[in-house]
Amino acid sequence: EDQVTQSPEALRLQEGESSSLNCSYTVSGLRGLFWYRQDPGKGPEFLFTLYSAGEEKEKERLKATLTKKESFLHITAPKPEDSATYLCAVQVAGGTSYGKLTFGQGTILTVHP
Amino acid sequence: DGGITQSPKYLFRKEGQNVTLSCEQNLNHDAMYWYRQDPGQGLRLIYYSQIVNDFQKGDIAEGYSVSREKKESFPLTVTSAQKNPTAFYLCASSNPLRGTEAFFGQGTRLTVV
Repeated sequence: EDQVTQSPEALRLQEGESSSLNCSYTVSGLRGLFWYRQDPGKGPEFLFTLYSAGEEKEKERLKATLTKKESFLHITAPKPEDSATYLCAVQVAGGTSYGKLTFGQGTILTVHP
Repeated sequence: DGGITQSPKYLFRKEGQNVTLSCEQNLNHDAMYWYRQDPGQGLRLIYYSQIVNDFQKGDIAEGYSVSREKKESFPLTVTSAQKNPTAFYLCASSNPLRGTEAFFGQGTRLTVV
């Protein structure tokens, strides 16, 4: 069974205090790993897609990395507006999966000024 | 502007009633999905559709029904058989064959009264 586990469940940072969120996955075959940001009461907003181990992607203060078992979302010098729930999801390779995503439970990030 | 539109934003259901949530996309995506989000549990897949007039059950399909009569539309009906329908419902679409990420609507919050 495909599983995605995110840690920690919640993270509180001071503005400027860098940290990382973890996403561990167990799948039969990985087609892609996705990171989304979700604000309260809103739909998830796409951040990154990673396809193979060793791949890295960056966007402003965020950097996502991928290994064969996990992905990290590094947040450098965060600001209060980075506060949100960050969701990790995997897409399994194979003809019947057709783009379905399996999500982790999310990490709630709070950045204090 | 291309995107996914969900309506209504808030919906209240009485015990024993069926309600239908609307999802429309103008991204020309082939695949559409319905997810349910509960606090602390991440997103869980209810139903998905690859093409018009075809759809598949996800992990938690019991008590729900869908239709896909048009490429742009994928409504979800929450039936009276769904014992715990209070949740945040998210619709998404993607083009899996082109490897695109899933785009989400802004969600419908359903509450049983």
